[in-house]
Amino acid sequence: NAGVTQTPKFRILKIGQSMTLQCAQDMNHNYMYWYRQDPGMGLKLIYYSVGAGITDKGEVPNGYNVSRSTTEDFPLRLELAAPSQTSVYFCASSTPFSQGTYGYTFGSGTRLTVV
Amino acid sequence: LAKTTQPISMDSYEGQEVNITCSHNNIATNDYITWYQQFPSQGPRFIIQGYKTKVTNEVASLFIPADRKSSTLSLPRVSLSDTAVYYCLVGDTGRRALTFGSGTRLQVQP
Repeated sequence: NAGVTQTPKFRILKIGQSMTLQCAQDMNHNYMYWYRQDPGMGLKLIYYSVGAGITDKGEVPNGYNVSRSTTEDFPLRLELAAPSQTSVYFCASSTPFSQGTYGYTFGSGTRLTVV
Repeated sequence: LAKTTQPISMDSYEGQEVNITCSHNNIATNDYITWYQQFPSQGPRFIIQGYKTKVTNEVASLFIPADRKSSTLSLPRVSLSDTAVYYCLVGDTGRRALTFGSGTRLQVQP
């Protein structure tokens, strides 16, 4: 059982370039999330999805886009990369706590540097 | 969303019990309390979850008073490997995504 898989693990982008961070989960979780974590800080929610075809903005959505065409995949798109987007990006999935699950399962992260 | 407040940092020594308290005054009826642990360069990892009273697992205990406006994560006999950031989250992901605060940075000394 792979859980939540993120690719790539590391990436260096030049200012103005674009890229897609991939996230896939094999637990049949309806809910998926993208967080970013700047050095020494907590996690900030970028976007989340409660099911295929449904996405919503989090705290810091500017400069990012997402799509959710399947239950398994939740890619995060960066358009026109800026140095302020240098961060570690975590994808997570979950089912509702009320269903007796353990909340979030996180991927191992993608460390992105924009130069 | 229930706002949480926890200490920024704590220090301890190996073998001691560590208690980290989180305040969540506006917790809602359907909200659960969940604690996560994060090591450097890794995603947060689930530690324990509770709704009321006391919950214990092989890693930690979670104490929740009757009014549920706070909770305390208790780590028995910490070791160096418990050095990490601990996050307290309150909410029900069935309704909305959760917000991580800055967490509590626990440093365990030999």
